Amino acid sequence: EPEVTQTPSHQVTQMGQEVILRCVPISNHLYFYWYRQILGQKVEFLVSFYNNEISEKSEIFDDQFSVERPDGSNFTLKIRSTKLEDSAMYFCASSTNRGNESEQFFGPGTRLTVL
Amino acid sequence: GDSVTQMEGPVTLSEEAFLTINCTYTATGYPSLFWYVQYPGEGLQLLLKATKADDKGSNKGFEATYRKETTSFHLEKGSVQVSDSAVYFCALRTSGGGADGLTFGKGTHLIIQP
Repeated sequence: EPEVTQTPSHQVTQMGQEVILRCVPISNHLYFYWYRQILGQKVEFLVSFYNNEISEKSEIFDDQFSVERPDGSNFTLKIRSTKLEDSAMYFCASSTNRGNESEQFFGPGTRLTVL
Repeated sequence: GDSVTQMEGPVTLSEEAFLTINCTYTATGYPSLFWYVQYPGEGLQLLLKATKADDKGSNKGFEATYRKETTSFHLEKGSVQVSDSAVYFCALRTSGGGADGLTFGKGTHLIIQP
C-alpha cells in the first residue's frame, strides 16, 4: 500500500543552524502539507502546497520557513536559523485533492531536536 | 479561531472494556470532523469522519456521531482490543473557502491491557 515517507526520523541540530526535512508523498497525490507537534501540545498546521506554490499557510509559517518540491518526488521543509522552540515532531501529509472528501495521508514524522 | 479539545490521557482500559474518548470543538462555519489514530512508529491514519450534523462515522468497530447541538464528536468502541493501543486525535476542517489545514486536538494515548 502506498505511503508517505519522511527522512530522517530524528534530526539533532545546533541553534542557529539550518535544517531540511524531507518527505516523499504518495506518487499520484497533488496536494502536500506540513504539520508540527511540539511535545505535549497539539498537532498544528503549517502550510499546504499545490502546483509548485503555497496554497495556504498558518501564522506559524513565517519567513524562517520555506517549502519546495525540488523534483518529481520530494517535498521539503527548510527551517533557517533554528531556535530552541522549533524542537518538535514534523509531519508531512499528501492528498489527491482538496476539501473534505479527500483524505490527507500522513508520514511517520521527523523528530527535530534543537540544542 | 477554530479549536478542538479532547480528554487528556493516558487512558488505560482492560481488554473488552467499553471505550469513550471525548472530543468537543469550537469552529466558525460548518466543520467536518475527523478521528485520526497513530500507532507506534507510524503516521497519523484517518480512522473515521463525519461531514455534517447527525452523521455517524464508523470504522473497525469505532463510531463517532457529529453532534452540532453539543459541538461534540466523541469516539466510542464497544469492546477494545490490545491492538487498539495507540494515540487518537480528534480534528476538524472548516468547510468552504478551500481551507486545507486540519485543526487537531492534543491527542489521547490509549493503553489496552490484556
